[in-house]
Amino acid sequence: EVQLVESGGGLIQPGGSLRLSCAASGFTVSSNFMSWVRQAPGKGLEWVSVIYGIGTTYYADSVKGRFTISRDNSKNTLFLQMNSLRAEDTAVYYCATDSFVSGIDCWGQGTLVTVSS
Amino acid sequence: QLVLTQAPSASASLGASVKLTCTLSSGHSDYAVVWHQQQPEKGPRYLMKVNNDGSHNKGDGISDRFSGSSSGAERYLTISSLQSEDEADYYCQTWDIVSRVFGGGTKVTVL
Repeated sequence: EVQLVESGGGLIQPGGSLRLSCAASGFTVSSNFMSWVRQAPGKGLEWVSVIYGIGTTYYADSVKGRFTISRDNSKNTLFLQMNSLRAEDTAVYYCATDSFVSGIDCWGQGTLVTVSS
Repeated sequence: QLVLTQAPSASASLGASVKLTCTLSSGHSDYAVVWHQQQPEKGPRYLMKVNNDGSHNKGDGISDRFSGSSSGAERYLTISSLQSEDEADYYCQTWDIVSRVFGGGTKVTVL
């Protein structure tokens, strides 16, 4: 069974940094596409970043240059390093499995990031 | 630019059917979309992929009451025999090589 468990969220001041983790089980992260998606309070879903099996990465314009997606194959874990955080980055962050065949097809439970002074 | 458009809300009576629409932007009418359900205070759940020919592939355990179809640049999600637990936000999503795109979501209310 595919499972995704996010962690690392919390309260952080504007300008600060945070690293989110997504521990995967039931499949191999390095062999799959993986995405981060966020949802601001009361708002819709917003795609953040994707990493392909070969390691290619892409980002939404709103986070480009500030966020970095990566993975640790030995730990079967996906990461999102978030720097220069802004109030508008406040959201629940979800990791998800992804592919060109089926799109985003499995979600974690999410972790809340609050950027506030 | 790849954009998905959804109506913000829809409603139908308990036991009735509702058809949600997701419209692909110009030049992208052959793209597939996937539908996700988000019940109140929960994370999203994958429902199905809908291809441009109307074929669809549902996720594991998704009820037969959910079905997908397609016409031109529109992709549809139909929920039949509406139940109270179907009251949720429904998002369509698509992708290209460099991005993933979500529609704004449709809030379904069961009357």
